[in-house]
Amino acid sequence: QQQVKQSPQSLIVQKGGISIINCAYENTAFDYFPWYQQFPGKGPALLIAIRPDVSEKKEGRFTISFNKSAKQFSLHIMDSQPGDSATYFCAASGYSGTYKYIFGTGTRLKVLA
Amino acid sequence: EPEVTQTPSHQVTQMGQEVILRCVPISNHLYFYWYRQILGQKVEFLVSFYNNEISEKSEIFDDQFSVERPDGSNFTLKIRSTKLEDSAMYFCASSEPGSGNTIYFGEGSWLTVV
Repeated sequence: QQQVKQSPQSLIVQKGGISIINCAYENTAFDYFPWYQQFPGKGPALLIAIRPDVSEKKEGRFTISFNKSAKQFSLHIMDSQPGDSATYFCAASGYSGTYKYIFGTGTRLKVLA
Repeated sequence: EPEVTQTPSHQVTQMGQEVILRCVPISNHLYFYWYRQILGQKVEFLVSFYNNEISEKSEIFDDQFSVERPDGSNFTLKIRSTKLEDSAMYFCASSEPGSGNTIYFGEGSWLTVV
């Protein structure tokens, strides 16, 4: 019940295209859903996050869509650029004595120039 | 922008040796974490620390591991008697208390056990 399932494992997109990464969770106690971007050899960096009281959040080219009833959320990267090539992790958090994140398995995105 | 700093960036150690990884969390944060990422895999929670004690730990965080906040700024992860499977990137992180507060990660300490 603590798992966060992420797909696809890898994604190749043409420059200017839309990248879509999906995540699903089971634990209804989760109440915070961040997306992290990680470049090789670096720590995860927060990209965008959403709470379950909204269905969509947009920041620049990045949008999270959230479906509370389906327990799914997704990251959309519009106008994908080669500089977006990285590994993306979704995560979920809820109080369980602490506010730890449970991470998805990651999606390796490659944007072709 | 404040950041979490970690040392060393890379350490190679012999199997069976003890390793201490160090972290300086963001100064006004009260929750501290260690996560682990085996090469090519997902980031896994190890332990959280609040008010000078462990608030939660995962099944990975067994008796081989310990954490300490020896002073007002440092937060350390000690791995006793390292094993080959301990080879991973270890990330320190910190956050303000409360749900929905971003966890900020350091750049990681890459541990190689040989």
